[in-house]
Amino acid sequence: NAGVTQTPKFRVLKTGQSMTLLCAQDMNHEYMYWYRQDPGMGLRLIHYSVGEGTTAKGEVPDGYNVSRLKKQNFLLGLESAAPSQTSVYFCASSLPGTGRTEAFFGQGTRLTVV
Amino acid sequence: AQSVTQLDSQVPVFEEAPVELRCNYSSSVSVYLFWYVQYPNQGLQLLLKYLSGSTLVKGINGFEAEFNKSQTSFHLRKPSVHISDTAEYFCAVISVNDYKLSFGAGTTVTVRA
Repeated sequence: NAGVTQTPKFRVLKTGQSMTLLCAQDMNHEYMYWYRQDPGMGLRLIHYSVGEGTTAKGEVPDGYNVSRLKKQNFLLGLESAAPSQTSVYFCASSLPGTGRTEAFFGQGTRLTVV
Repeated sequence: AQSVTQLDSQVPVFEEAPVELRCNYSSSVSVYLFWYVQYPNQGLQLLLKYLSGSTLVKGINGFEAEFNKSQTSFHLRKPSVHISDTAEYFCAVISVNDYKLSFGAGTTVTVRA
């Protein structure tokens, strides 16, 4: 039972480069989330999705785009990476409206932009 | 929109002593409440949750939390901590209208022998 899987786990980018982070879940969850974690700031929501084909902005969406073409996958894209996007990124999924409303998290992607 | 405030950024505590981590939230609609733990270089793991019913909820590893609607609080407690409880703890809320999951800034608990 894989749960939530994030790829890659580590990445170093040069300023201006682009990349896509992949999140895959095998729990048939409707909701998926992307967060960034920075010291002293907790987890801040970047974008989230309430179902296949839908996305919504979170607290800090600028500089990121997302897509949810398949229910099990949620992609986070950086079109032109900036040093301010150096962070640890976490994906999560949940199935609201059930007794298991809690979110399940991936292990994170550590991104460094130089 | 909802928000979460964790009142302590760092909590040092001696082994076998009790610990309380404070969490307050604000929301214009009903919420579900959670505490997560993050061990170094790992993802987040659910400690406990409050959805409805009894306001005292018990979680894993001996933790418990009490939901107080009038004070909009959800404080986490453990009567006797172990070295292995050293971690960062996050309080989180989901609003029932949009299921957006918001986190507090985290509390780092350091347990010393």
